[in-house]
Amino acid sequence: DAKTTQPTSMDCAEGRAANLPCNHSTISGNEYVYWYRQIHSQGPQYIIHGLKNNETNEMASLIITEDRKSSTLILPHATLRDTAVYYCIVRVHYGGATNKLIFGTGTLLAVQP
Amino acid sequence: GAGVSQSPSNKVTEKGKDVELRCDPISGHTALYWYRQSLGQGLEFLIYFQGNSAPDKSGLPSDRFSAERTGGSVSTLTIQRTQQEDSAVYLCASSLPSSGNQPQHFGDGTRLSIL
Repeated sequence: DAKTTQPTSMDCAEGRAANLPCNHSTISGNEYVYWYRQIHSQGPQYIIHGLKNNETNEMASLIITEDRKSSTLILPHATLRDTAVYYCIVRVHYGGATNKLIFGTGTLLAVQP
Repeated sequence: GAGVSQSPSNKVTEKGKDVELRCDPISGHTALYWYRQSLGQGLEFLIYFQGNSAPDKSGLPSDRFSAERTGGSVSTLTIQRTQQEDSAVYLCASSLPSSGNQPQHFGDGTRLSIL
């Protein structure tokens, strides 16, 4: 799976949009971009994923550049409960294969009151 | 609906004892994964089950570790003769068949402490 690069930490004011960047310059054409987050003492929580089109769900939006070498996760109105470590993962899907997730060190997002 | 359930949430045991950790996946999820997360570290893949196929055990760190999945649902991870380096949070995840782009959904883990 392709390696991802994320900032170690970011701050965001409560109520403002949080934009979390991820570089994945070696991504291949069949690799998806996944985002998870992990709140202290909890298991990782799935947020969103995409291949090349931008995606939006009730939690967040995912913007993938046209060359697919980077992406941004957007939390439109951050709350204190969004404070967590956010992981960007690229993952290929092979039929019948394990397709395990490989987590890097992620970005610690601290939402400030 | 109900998410992935793991038990116990915490386990403290003495070095050398055996432990069993349980995972109840989301109903209908045929793929099941075990990971572990040591303090301050990322997730480490341990083992993967998909339906009736042979499990992928490539991540198990030693032969003291084993896992079963009975009836295609509940899974048990067993660690024999525990060592202090086994202390970690053990996480279970499940998903719809992994051949599609299905996200994995995690439980909150079992925090294992070896004294």
